[in-house]
Amino acid sequence: DAGITQSPRYKITETGRQVTLMCHQTWSHSYMFWYRQDLGHGLRLIYYSAAADITDKGEVPDGYVVSRSKTENFPLTLESATRSQTSVYFCASRPGLADTGELFFGEGSRLTVL
Amino acid sequence: AQKITQTQPGMFVQEKEAVTLDCTYDTSDPSYGLFWYKQPSSGEMIFLIYQGSYDQQNATEGRYSLNFQKARKSANLVISASQLGDSAMYFCAMREGRTGGFKTIFGAGTRLFVKA
Repeated sequence: DAGITQSPRYKITETGRQVTLMCHQTWSHSYMFWYRQDLGHGLRLIYYSAAADITDKGEVPDGYVVSRSKTENFPLTLESATRSQTSVYFCASRPGLADTGELFFGEGSRLTVL
Repeated sequence: AQKITQTQPGMFVQEKEAVTLDCTYDTSDPSYGLFWYKQPSSGEMIFLIYQGSYDQQNATEGRYSLNFQKARKSANLVISASQLGDSAMYFCAMREGRTGGFKTIFGAGTRLFVKA
């Protein structure tokens, strides 16, 4: 099905473990984004990518790693998870610059770090 | 420095009345875009309305309108004739221009409660 999908939708892990959240979109959108949503903070940008092999830090990149070897995939890795990374993570995409810039969101991944 | 500010953590409105949700932004780019998204309790993000920085007229989409005051750097969302289904979290967002790497950033959100 066309769209943007995130996996896993729910994940419980322990402090210090590595976790990877996957994001896949079928539209060939140029831009992809990772946000985390925490109460009182709204959505905060972690990393974003303008195209394959181009990534940039957002507002809260510490503790996270991203890669984009293919246009359609944008995985987010927590190399050593901490309790403060317990959050809901949203992946989003948009076509490019010649558009309104509306974001298309995945359903979110709820991560709990014990 | 926070670039998108939503000063109302929560708002109440009576059903069928209009409500304004505030948003101010900060950017030095001449070209940018402003958005509002709705997040109901189910969690999905729903795009509501868009305003380009060069647009002369305020954007409207059905019961939603964006009150764009460029000099004040404000982009308030007006919902007319509120409905119970409008109860949700509302986020203001900005697509930055070249200086900001064309990324999209969000405010902290306003939770709207519509009373019957």
